[in-house]
Amino acid sequence: EDQVTQSPEALRLQEGESSSLNCSYTVSGLRGLFWYRQDPGKGPEFLFTLYSAGEEKEKERLKATLTKKESFLHITAPKPEDSATYLCAGIIQGAQKLVFGQGTRLTINP
Amino acid sequence: GAGVSQSPRYKVAKRGQDVALRCDPISGHVSLFWYQQALGQGPEFLTYFQNEAQLDKSGLPSDRFFAERPEGSVSTLKIQRTQQEDSAVYLCASSWTSGRSEQYFGPGTRLTVT
Repeated sequence: EDQVTQSPEALRLQEGESSSLNCSYTVSGLRGLFWYRQDPGKGPEFLFTLYSAGEEKEKERLKATLTKKESFLHITAPKPEDSATYLCAGIIQGAQKLVFGQGTRLTINP
Repeated sequence: GAGVSQSPRYKVAKRGQDVALRCDPISGHVSLFWYQQALGQGPEFLTYFQNEAQLDKSGLPSDRFFAERPEGSVSTLKIQRTQQEDSAVYLCASSWTSGRSEQYFGPGTRLTVT
């Protein structure tokens, strides 16, 4: 079964403490890997799409990378406003739907 | 420009009532998706439209769930005879095309069945 798994489920960091969130996938024919940010009471907000192993994308303090089996969302010197749930999702061969992981709840303490 | 909008934002229904949830996609977006999100979980796919055609409804949990997009723009998700297990946030997303295009999400409708 196609599956996307995120770890850790929750992560608490101090402001300025860099870390990485993991997204591993066991899907056949991954056509794209997406990262979203979700704030409480809101819909997911698109961050990045990665299409092939080795690809990297950056936006402010976030950098997403992709290998053949997993993706990482690196957060450098985070600020309290980076606190949110981060979701990753894959689109698989022959389908249009996103298959989501359960999310990582990130809290940045000032 | 305007993003994806959904209404109502909150809906409380008594068990057995029918509900209708509306989604206005981003203008010009061909593809429209519905997802269901339980508390503390990632969204789960329900159904997908390309223009007015419903091309995938494999995620609809039962025949009480029905979705339509008659003119290829606004979509409605209808749930008949609601049950407590239907309580969740229902998210709508749209994208320019199908396949690898990024999907843009609305704020969701939180449905509570009492």
